[in-house]
Amino acid sequence: DVKVTQSSRYLVKRTGEKVFLECVQDMDHENMFWYRQDPGLGLRLIYFSYDVKMKEKGDIPEGYSVSREKKERFSLILESASTNQTSMYLCASNLDWGGGNTIYFGEGSWLTVV
Amino acid sequence: GNSVTQMEGPVTLSEEAFLTINCTYTATGYPSLFWYVQYPGEGLQLLLKATKADDKGSNKGFEATYRKETTSFHLEKGSVQVSDSAVYFCALLGGTSYGKLTFGQGTILTVHP
Repeated sequence: DVKVTQSSRYLVKRTGEKVFLECVQDMDHENMFWYRQDPGLGLRLIYFSYDVKMKEKGDIPEGYSVSREKKERFSLILESASTNQTSMYLCASNLDWGGGNTIYFGEGSWLTVV
Repeated sequence: GNSVTQMEGPVTLSEEAFLTINCTYTATGYPSLFWYVQYPGEGLQLLLKATKADDKGSNKGFEATYRKETTSFHLEKGSVQVSDSAVYFCALLGGTSYGKLTFGQGTILTVHP
C-alpha cells in the first residue's frame, strides 16, 4: 500500500514563528502536493513538485514556501505564521502525470496559530 | 480554468436510504474524475474514479458515471450505512490544469440508525 506520512498531526504555533510541515512518501512517486482544507472551501492547492528541487505554485502560495531536496520528502514552510494560516494541511503524492493516476493523501496536519 | 461544483450539504439520511451527491465540473479536454472520502479525523481516501466518458467507477456500493454531455459525475449509493458518515469530495485531474487535482467544496453526509 502507498503510504504518505505527515510527521506532525497537531501543532500549535505562535504568530510570527517559522513552521515546518514534513511529508514523506514511500512509493517513489514523482509528484507531491500540499493542500490546505478549510470548511466550505474544500481543498486548495498551495504548491506542488514534479521532481527533486522542482516546484510550482498552486492556487494559494502566498505566505508559504516548499522544499524538495529528496524525492520522497516534501516540506511546507510557513516563514512567519499568521492566524489566518490556522487550518488542516494535507500532503499528497502520485506516480506521474499519466491520466487518472490516483493521488494518495496523508492523514493531515492540524495547525493552530495563536 | 477547471472548477468542480458539489451539491451543498450537509446531507442527513436514515440508514438504508438512497444517496445522491451531485457533482458537476468545468474543464477543457478530457479530465479524469474522482470521488474522495474523508472520515472524521483522517485524511482523504480515494473512493472511486473514472478516466473517460461513460466510464462507471464503483467501490463499497458507491457508483458514479462520467457523463461528458452533462459534465457531471454524481455519486450514488442504494442503501447507506451509519459507517458511511463522512465528508465526500468530488475532484478532477487534468483539463486546463494538467497535473493539478481540483476539488469541490465537500459534502458532509450524516447517516442515522
